Parts: sequence; structure tokens; C-alpha cells
Amino acid sequence: DAGVIQSPRHEVTEMGQEVTLRCKPISGHNSLFWYRQTMMRGLELLIYFNNNVPIDDSGMPEDRFSAKMPNASFSTLKIQPSEPRDSAVYFCASRTTGFPEAFFGQGTRLTVV
Amino acid sequence: EDKVVQSPLSLVVHEGDTVTLNCSYEVTNFRSLLWYKQEKKAPTFLFMLTSSGIEKKSGRLSSILDKKELFSILNITATQTGDSAVYLCATEGNAGGTSYGKLTFGQGTILTVHP
Repeated sequence: DAGVIQSPRHEVTEMGQEVTLRCKPISGHNSLFWYRQTMMRGLELLIYFNNNVPIDDSGMPEDRFSAKMPNASFSTLKIQPSEPRDSAVYFCASRTTGFPEAFFGQGTRLTVV
Repeated sequence: EDKVVQSPLSLVVHEGDTVTLNCSYEVTNFRSLLWYKQEKKAPTFLFMLTSSGIEKKSGRLSSILDKKELFSILNITATQTGDSAVYLCATEGNAGGTSYGKLTFGQGTILTVHP
């Protein structure tokens, strides 16, 4: 298995633009997490899904952030409009029932200028 | 709100030293505690702990959990430069009684091992 696949790996955008991050979880995994990592705040959980259903989105910073999981093999995290303070590395992770350890993708480094 | 606190935030040692990293937590319906190592890219899984007092060991790394005092430690003996990384502690809580709990991470400990 190729592991969790995220795209793009790097994204530089201008303030006010829409940004869409993509994630393909490991096949057969039924939980998916979106995290944001910064030096100041560490690894913050934004939202997680079980069986494609959002379970907890309390970490989503504000209405500018939205996440979807239309099927078991794909999820998106959208920021609209983007702001410089959204600059961070965004990780997607997945895992399967009965195994607490989550496997992480390589992350998307987002820079908003 | 679940909370995970790691200490120290950073640590600089020389090769051969032994280090102890700490993780304390407050979690609703605690299920497990996990340790990850993060080098330049994605965090990679090290250990999962669910029971108090039972040491998990992998080579020079070992970890133990105390569910009464709500903390865990990660020990690394005979450190090597390749151990330089961020070490992350995470807890799994059983949110809302579902089987699939959320993973909450601590800030991490930045370990630097000098030759």
C-alpha cells in the first residue's frame, strides 16, 4: 500500500484565495483525521471522520474552513478565503477499527502571502 | 476539552546519554496513549500503551504508562544522532461513547543529540 497520500505537497497562495487540500487514506481504513501543525501550537486536530461521517469538528478554526469526505477513499479540506495566519503544514491521517495508531501522510505545506 | 502536555519542550544531549521524555494528560474516557517520532516529515508510530505499569520496549526505546497519575514517559538509552527528532505524545479518548476516539497530540519534545 502506498500509505496516506496528500496533495499538493506545497501550496503558495495569495490572501483571499480559495485553497483545497486533498487526502487519500489507506485502503480499508475507516477513520480519517485532518491536523494542522505550527511551531506555536503544535499538532492540532481540526476534524475527524468515521465511516465518512464527521464525528468531531470542534477544532475547525472558523467558518472559512470546511472538510468533506464524499467516499471512503477521498477527503478534502478547503479554506476560503485564505489568510496569512493559515500558513502551516496540514496533515491527513487514517486508521482502522481496533487499531488506535494513525498513519500520517507527508503533509501539505501551505503558505499564504 | 482533552489536553496533553509534554515536557521538556526541547532537550539537547550528547551521544550516549539517556533521556526521559514526559507526557501528562487529561482525557475524557481514556482509551490509549501513543508515542510518535517526527523527523523532517510525517510522524511515525512508536508505541501504544493501554495498561498501567507494563513497559513497552523497542531497542533502545521504552515507555510506560501510569493511569492513576495520568502520565507516561518515553526513555531513550545510549542516544544516537539519528534519535534527533520531535517526539509526540497522543491520547485516544472515547468521544461520545463511540468506538472510534479522537487522537489529541501534545506540543512535542524537540530532542537534539550531538555527536
